[in-house]
Amino acid sequence: GNSVTQMEGPVTLSEEAFLTINCTYTATGYPSLFWYVQYPGEGLQLLLKATKADDKGSNKGFEATYRKETTSFHLEKGSVQVSDSAVYFCARSYNNNDMRFGAGTRLTVKP
Amino acid sequence: NAGVMQNPRHLVRRRGQEARLRCSPMKGHSHVYWYRQLPEEGLKFMVYLQKENIIDESGMPKERFSAEFPKEGPSILRIQQVVRGDSAAYFCASSRRDPNSGDEQFFGPGTRLTVL
Repeated sequence: GNSVTQMEGPVTLSEEAFLTINCTYTATGYPSLFWYVQYPGEGLQLLLKATKADDKGSNKGFEATYRKETTSFHLEKGSVQVSDSAVYFCARSYNNNDMRFGAGTRLTVKP
Repeated sequence: NAGVMQNPRHLVRRRGQEARLRCSPMKGHSHVYWYRQLPEEGLKFMVYLQKENIIDESGMPKERFSAEFPKEGPSILRIQQVVRGDSAAYFCASSRRDPNSGDEQFFGPGTRLTVL
């Protein structure tokens, strides 16, 4: 089975709303954790990452904290913009060629 | 520095034909990865290559699929005798150093294959 589970979409929010996209993983040991974003018609871009427990990754107002005790890496943003509309993928990796992705969560932000 | 380039962006094939997908990694990157994204699903790892070597093909279907990364030129993902179930977006990524370095993978825009 898939070792990364993320919140099913689609998620529709109004501009300036608070965003949470849940992500949990199953793994042995201590993988690195990532959030990627895919804008329409484009490839994936790394949004943020965390490589060890309690690390917080942050970028462009998005944050996620590596929670070992709950095996989670939830993505949050305090105030979303229309330009944040995209598909967000949670991923985990032990090394770079063992990257496992979640199914993706489509976010639509309405003005 | 141009990003990862993939072509074609869209490819239409009839059942039984061959599909060739090309990926040019970022300048200075010698590690290439191919992923497949089925509709409404996440990316699934297919194969990891370095120049002239397949390092990990654990995600590749056993038949009809092959990949190469020659000394000169782009990496090629080849699908022989395509079937409708091969319809998907195929993404290539590259990194500068080997997987254990933790270097970020940079993704191309993908090739969307449609099998009629």
